[in-house]
Formats: sequence, C-alpha cells, structure tokens
Amino acid sequence: DQQVKQNSPSLSVQEGRISILNCDYTNSMFDYFLWYKKYPAEGPTFLISISSIKDKNEDGRFTVFLNKSAKHLSLHIVPSQPGDSAVYFCASIQGAQKLVFGQGTRLTINP
Amino acid sequence: NAGVTQTPKFQVLKTGQSMTLQCAQDMNHEYMSWYRQDPGMGLRLIHYSVGAGITDQGEVPNGYNVSRSTTEDFPLRLLSAAPSQTSVYFCASRRGQLINYGYTFGSGTRLTVV
Repeated sequence: DQQVKQNSPSLSVQEGRISILNCDYTNSMFDYFLWYKKYPAEGPTFLISISSIKDKNEDGRFTVFLNKSAKHLSLHIVPSQPGDSAVYFCASIQGAQKLVFGQGTRLTINP
Repeated sequence: NAGVTQTPKFQVLKTGQSMTLQCAQDMNHEYMSWYRQDPGMGLRLIHYSVGAGITDQGEVPNGYNVSRSTTEDFPLRLLSAAPSQTSVYFCASRRGQLINYGYTFGSGTRLTVV
C-alpha cells in the first residue's frame, strides 16, 4: 500500500517558467512533509519541508503547499533553472522516525 | 565534517553470499536509517535506529540485519544475497529533534546480485 504517491513520473518545463510537482498521501497521521532532490549517482538532498499544521512554506525559489482536506501537497519552483533538472521525491514523516517516500518525478528544465 | 559515508560504492555478489554495507556519520545524529531504491518504487525503508542499541524494522526488512553499537555506525548485513536484493542502498541520519530539517543521505551503494 503506497502511502505517498507521485503520479507523474516525469515533467518537462521551459527555463524561467514555473515547475509544479505534485504528491498525494493517504495517511492523515503524517506529521511533516518533505521534498528531496536527487541527481544521478548521488544521495537525495533535503530541499524544503512543511509541518502538518501549516498550509504553506517558502524558501527562495521553492514553495511547498499543503492541502490537508485533499491530502495533497505540491512543490512550486519559480523561476525554473537548468540546475533544477533532477528527480524530486516527496516524503512524509510519521511518528518522528519513519520517512516514507513517493516514487519520484523526473523534472527536466529545457533551455 | 564528512557527513554520511557509505562503503563500498559498488559491489557484485553471487547468490547466497553474505556481506555488510557500512555506514558512518560524524554529525552525532541520533537517528539513522537504511533505504533501498528500485526503479518506479521510490526509496523504501529497510531498518532504522533512534539511538545506540535501539533498532527497528521498516517496510522491507526481510533478508537484512542491522545493529547499532555506537552512535556513529549503522551497518547493514545481507545474510544470504538474492537477485531480488539488487538495488541501490542509501544510509541516512538525522538529529532527533530536528524533524523539519530532514535526513542527510550518503551517496549510496550500488549492489548487484548475480
């Protein structure tokens, strides 16, 4: 049972435009939601997080939105840059220890 | 400050062989975890630890053992390798209370079982 789902395996966006990556979850007990970025042959790197008691968190070009009623979160990247091309994973923490990941979305930024 | 260090980076095993994937962190993090990444599956939790001497199972623990004798080290043991364990393995660590800063990941071990 996949508790965190990223239904879009890939996304292609033009440089300078907005990239929107989506994630759905089934467990309403999740405490925190996080986004990770992964380049080939490297480990995931933490990007941004949001507490379940908030609906928005912003850090520079990255904003995460949480819609608890829809059990949906999204990551907005504005403006998109070539270095943003990577695989993005959303993840959720339950009980402070277990990090549960989605399947990932490959983002390609086209010049 | 090296962060999370995983060794080896690559390994080929024959079916039935055993081996240990090493993971060490120098950040004095209490929480450590092992994940495997397979195509289309994201990262799945194998085992995790909230401190020295304390371990617990994740989503896919079968065929793997862990121990946590020190804060710094969290080795993952494959008891009898199977082709289904061909994967990329990631170790991660986190300071216990800093949930919102996420886990720090190592660069991974690519394991092939033939």
